[in-house]
Amino acid sequence: KAGVTQTPRYLIKTRGQQVTLSCSPISGHRSVSWYQQTPGQGLQFLFEYFSETQRNKGNFPGRFSGRQFSNSRSEMNVSTLELGDSALYLCASSSGPGLAYEQYFGPGTRLTVT
Amino acid sequence: AQKVTQAQTEISVVEKEDVTLDCVYETRDTTYYLFWYKQPPSGELVFLIRRNSFDEQNEISGRYSWNFQKSTSSFNFTITASQVVDSAVYFCALSDAAAGNKLTFGGGTRVLVKP
Repeated sequence: KAGVTQTPRYLIKTRGQQVTLSCSPISGHRSVSWYQQTPGQGLQFLFEYFSETQRNKGNFPGRFSGRQFSNSRSEMNVSTLELGDSALYLCASSSGPGLAYEQYFGPGTRLTVT
Repeated sequence: AQKVTQAQTEISVVEKEDVTLDCVYETRDTTYYLFWYKQPPSGELVFLIRRNSFDEQNEISGRYSWNFQKSTSSFNFTITASQVVDSAVYFCALSDAAAGNKLTFGGGTRVLVKP
């Protein structure tokens, strides 16, 4: 079974631009979560989607948004990029939305904002 | 609110030594799950173990073992006879009933195994 895939793997953007990252979960998994990892703040939860609905959201500004499609693929968008948005963005998939499901992570997208 | 503390930021050992990573957690829920993930230099988080709050049995998987103690809110991880390939950052994480699938991570412990 293929794992979680994320595209692109690396991205360089300029301050003020917007960016869209993509995540394809493991086949059959319907829950996708996004995390941001920075040296200063560590791993922080962004949001979670299940069956195209956002179920949970972390403490990030409205510039960070996401969506999930009917095939469970998910995208996250960051508008008006700031230098502090430079980070590794990780996507995780699980077969369900609840507490008991294991989460499997993708390789991440490394975003650099200049 | 949930909180996970990994007090050790970096541990350096020589190959074949044992290394224990500490993890202390806080949660108000009685139902919760604890996790350990490994992050090699490639960046991907590799799932190692999940343990629920009702199962305090220690677990061993090859050279890895985990010690869960609810009395001290700790979920420590030991690598026995470490190898160079064990060099990575290890994260402890918590998810409780209020958080659902949301994981709260500790700051991570970088393990460097020298040959």
